[in-house]
Amino acid sequence: DTGVSQDPRHKITKRGQNVTFRCDPISEHNRLYWYRQTLGQGPEFLTYFQNEAQLEKSRLLSDRFSAERPKGSFSTLEIQRTEQGDSAMYLCASSTLAGVYEQFFGPGTRLTVL
Amino acid sequence: KQEVTQIPAALSVPEGENLVLNCSFTDSAIYNLQWFRQDPGKGLTSLLLIQSSQREQTSGRLNASLDKSSGRSTLYIAASQPGDSATYLCAVALMDSSYKLIFGSGTRLLVRP
Repeated sequence: DTGVSQDPRHKITKRGQNVTFRCDPISEHNRLYWYRQTLGQGPEFLTYFQNEAQLEKSRLLSDRFSAERPKGSFSTLEIQRTEQGDSAMYLCASSTLAGVYEQFFGPGTRLTVL
Repeated sequence: KQEVTQIPAALSVPEGENLVLNCSFTDSAIYNLQWFRQDPGKGLTSLLLIQSSQREQTSGRLNASLDKSSGRSTLYIAASQPGDSATYLCAVALMDSSYKLIFGSGTRLLVRP
């Protein structure tokens, strides 16, 4: 069990550029969640997958955001035409479909939009 | 709409003190409650998970309690150490098919040597 990994750990981009983040969940975890955390706040839910199906998207996820989990394993989160307000920590978590549904978090990707 | 509040927002204590962090939530229909630790610029480390049917969980110097009917949870840290300095986040899992977490804003703890 290597834990949840995220790549890159840090991303600096200019406003208007597209960025993509990757999350690798704990193997055999069916559920994968994305959260966004701004400075001084708790994380906020963005979206989640069960296997390859995206089952819910928050209203925070504007049409500039898209997430995929093509084979039910890793997931990508893409932000198109980044804005300064997109600067945040993007956190990924995974859990099993049984038991207590405990979520395990990755180290996050810190995005800075200049 | 579920809302989670944590009090205090910040806390500074001398080493060795026992302390209590508070978490309250507005809707008692939760699946579980998790306490996390977050170091600056890092991800979240799960500390304790309490299922909705449980009243408390313990791990080492940490004890978390849950009173679902009143919408409250506490995290008790015994004999605090400088290494405990971090932000502590409380989150409730919604009782729907998503089990997504709703977080409080956290308590920033500083334990002074």
